[in-house]
Amino acid sequence: NAGVTQTPKFRVLKTGQSMTLLCAQDMNHEYMYWYRQDPGMGLRLIHYSVGEGTTAKGEVPDGYNVSRLKKQNFLLGLESAAPSQTSVYFCASSWTGSGTEAFFGQGTRLTVV
Amino acid sequence: EDKVVQSPLSLVVHEGDTVTLNCSYEVTNFRSLLWYKQEKKAPTFLFMLTSSGIEKKSGRLSSILDKKELFSILNITATQTGDSAVYLCAVGQRGGGATNKLIFGTGTLLAVQP
Repeated sequence: NAGVTQTPKFRVLKTGQSMTLLCAQDMNHEYMYWYRQDPGMGLRLIHYSVGEGTTAKGEVPDGYNVSRLKKQNFLLGLESAAPSQTSVYFCASSWTGSGTEAFFGQGTRLTVV
Repeated sequence: EDKVVQSPLSLVVHEGDTVTLNCSYEVTNFRSLLWYKQEKKAPTFLFMLTSSGIEKKSGRLSSILDKKELFSILNITATQTGDSAVYLCAVGQRGGGATNKLIFGTGTLLAVQP
């Protein structure tokens, strides 16, 4: 049972480089989310999607873009990475929104130097 | 501003001790409160609470919600070293659109010593 799978697991970027994080879920969930986790800050929502073809901004969307072309995939893009984007990124999915159980991927540790 | 506050920030106990973790919230249109356990990697789901006063229990873990006083507690009895983790509290809101998300606290780091 794969659940929620994130790739890559680790990445080091130079300032100004771009990259895409991929999240895939095999549970047929409608809702998908991207969070970042920083020490002392908890999990903060970057962007989310309530269904295929839809995206919406979360709490900390600046510097990130997302796409949900297929229901099972949710991509997070960094167009021009900055050191402030050094973080652990988690993807999650759920059947519905509004506070139902979310299933998380294993995380991507990103370092921007 | 919606917020979820967990206390204590960190806790060190010995095996066999009982611990209580706290979560208070100020969130509009409350729907549910969820507890997650995070070890090295992904948060894993523990409980979801929607009604006041009804205890949820799973083995040595239990949790209860007080919607009047806006808090929840997570109890762990007879702690084991495998309980060492960050425990996250999150609150979900009613409604659609921008409320389709969980608001997380910063977590409580629990360390259980042998």
